[in-house]
Amino acid sequence: GNSVTQMEGPVTLSEEAFLTINCTYTATGYPSLFWYVQYPGEGLQLLLKATKADDKGSNKGFEATYRKETTSFHLEKGSVQVSDSAVYFCALSEAGGGADGLTFGKGTHLIIQP
Amino acid sequence: DAGITQSPRHKVTETGTPVTLRCHQTENHRYMYWYRQDPGHGLRLIHYSYGVKDTDKGEVSDGYSVSRSKTEDFLLTLESATSSQTSVYFCAISQPSYEQYFGPGTRLTVT
Repeated sequence: GNSVTQMEGPVTLSEEAFLTINCTYTATGYPSLFWYVQYPGEGLQLLLKATKADDKGSNKGFEATYRKETTSFHLEKGSVQVSDSAVYFCALSEAGGGADGLTFGKGTHLIIQP
Repeated sequence: DAGITQSPRHKVTETGTPVTLRCHQTENHRYMYWYRQDPGHGLRLIHYSYGVKDTDKGEVSDGYSVSRSKTEDFLLTLESATSSQTSVYFCAISQPSYEQYFGPGTRLTVT
């Protein structure tokens, strides 16, 4: 079956530091990959996505590249802000985001200190 | 923001009682989903729907049932709530081959 593995944290960084959150996946086909963000007390918001190998998704200074050879989709940001503190989820879908649902990693809690 | 509401937002109930959670969308999206979120598990799919009256089981469907009689509404029912069903429940919607959009969640506590 499908699975997603990511560091759970918490990951604590200082403001303006470089961020990497690792995500690797196992899938039987050619999945689409997603990063979602959850702020305290809220639902999940789509941060970025990539639908095929070598695609780069980007949004709000975050980016991630779909690496089929290493089955990875690591999230990066060059300079984090306190407002980036949240839980980040890596997820995949065999059906491109519809049909039978998403498979999520366990989430990475990110804390940015001023 | 996608037009997704969930009700109630918070509920406390006793073991053995039936509970129904409602998800309502105004986007006319074809697919709807129910997930539960638990510490250390991320989100796990309970049930999903691919059209009116068309539903299927997800990873953790035991103890849950769903119904979809209208495009805009997707109901999740716990026939006899147990303490292991204490969780935060999220509804999501999508169109075919597109990303999912999530509701604000319902926090359910079973005592």
